[in-house]
Amino acid sequence: QVQLVESGGGVVQPGGSLRLSCAASGFTFSSYDMHWVRQAPGKGLEWVAFIRYDGSNKYYADSVKGRFTISRDNSKNTLSLQMNSLRAEDTAVFYCCSGFHLYYFDYWGQGTLVTVSS
Amino acid sequence: QSALTQPASVSGSPGQSITISCTGTSSDVGGYNYVSWYQQHPGKVPKLTIYDVSKRPSGVSNRFSGSKSGNTASLTISGLQAEDEADYYCCSYAGSSTYVVFGGGTKLTVL
Repeated sequence: QVQLVESGGGVVQPGGSLRLSCAASGFTFSSYDMHWVRQAPGKGLEWVAFIRYDGSNKYYADSVKGRFTISRDNSKNTLSLQMNSLRAEDTAVFYCCSGFHLYYFDYWGQGTLVTVSS
Repeated sequence: QSALTQPASVSGSPGQSITISCTGTSSDVGGYNYVSWYQQHPGKVPKLTIYDVSKRPSGVSNRFSGSKSGNTASLTISGLQAEDEADYYCCSYAGSSTYVVFGGGTKLTVL
């Protein structure tokens, strides 16, 4: 069965950096578009970033553009999110999701919590 | 403030039907047939419930249905059950600059 397992969350100071990873299994990772979606504590869902199945296209929400970088290693079935210049408002659970282009998110990981605080 | 507008809460009794609305603009909901809905129980991971406006993923009950009229999409749950109590989020493709937008979420209470 499809499994997406995020890691790398934690507490970081404002202005700091963090790298999230997502290990995929149970499906042909290299054939699927992937996303990061986040949810601030007690708040709604917010799409963060997209990467095409072959890594050829990457798109970002305006709120993270220029600070976050999405990448993937299809040889290791791994999705990553490099987060720089972190702000308090980036505090959230970050979910790794598979999806069909930008149209929907069909499988979700359990999420990893990122807390930006001094 | 979310790009798509949903009611903060809706409620219904077991066996009844409820509808959750999701209002956007011609740049998102109204412009594309790529509206999706997600069910999230407290402390749990969101689950895809409806995609492409009205399609149900395998395993999702046929009590869940989706539709769209103009800039407003709707999720209808018929024959309400206690297990349907959850938060529901709508989402839409929003074109090649904004890409993806979510609604603020609706808390469904089964009375």
